[in-house]
Amino acid sequence: AQSVSQHNHHVILSEAASLELGCNYSYGGTVNLFWYVQYPGQHLQLLLKYFSGDPLVKGIKGFEAEFIKSKFSFNLRKPSVQWSDTAEYFCAGGADYKLSFGAGTTVTVRA
Amino acid sequence: DSGVTQTPKHLITATGQRVTLRCSPRSGDLSVYWYQQSLDQGLQFLIQYYNGEERAKGNILERFSAQQFPDLHSELNLSSLELGDSALYFCASSVGYSVSQGVYNEQFFGPGTRLTVL
Repeated sequence: AQSVSQHNHHVILSEAASLELGCNYSYGGTVNLFWYVQYPGQHLQLLLKYFSGDPLVKGIKGFEAEFIKSKFSFNLRKPSVQWSDTAEYFCAGGADYKLSFGAGTTVTVRA
Repeated sequence: DSGVTQTPKHLITATGQRVTLRCSPRSGDLSVYWYQQSLDQGLQFLIQYYNGEERAKGNILERFSAQQFPDLHSELNLSSLELGDSALYFCASSVGYSVSQGVYNEQFFGPGTRLTVL
């Protein structure tokens, strides 16, 4: 069965630190991969997506992710975080009708 | 604002009761998805409808059912409610119905309905 796993449950950083969140998916074939962010009390918003083409994907708010097919990974990165990046981050992927979400990573940025 | 609307925003009810959650997709989107988000289970896919027909089922309990109407809005019905059904229920919509359609399957999420079962 297809699944998506996220490596980190909770990450705590200081402002200006670099962020990398791990995401692995378990299926082959055509895959679509996404990173969503959920700010406290809000709904999920799409940060970036990968369908095909350039494996380095740039999203909103300075985030990027790299699709590495050989490692089944789609890690999210941001070179310098801000306090406003405090949120929960979800990796999601699908190769069928269903989109599977990872368990989420809570990111806390300390000022 | 994603363009997906959900009502009500909050719902408080008692065990054994039945509730209906409503979702209106973005204009032009034919697929509607329902998700449940709880602290212990994370974000779980429940069910998907495309243009009025059920397309995919996830971890949806038999006590739960959904439908999509001709105007494409969808309702999620939860019955015989239990304390463990307390969660945030999200609706999402997309143009297409399958991940293989690429960009047409990008899902846009609504603000959610917070259900509290007492």
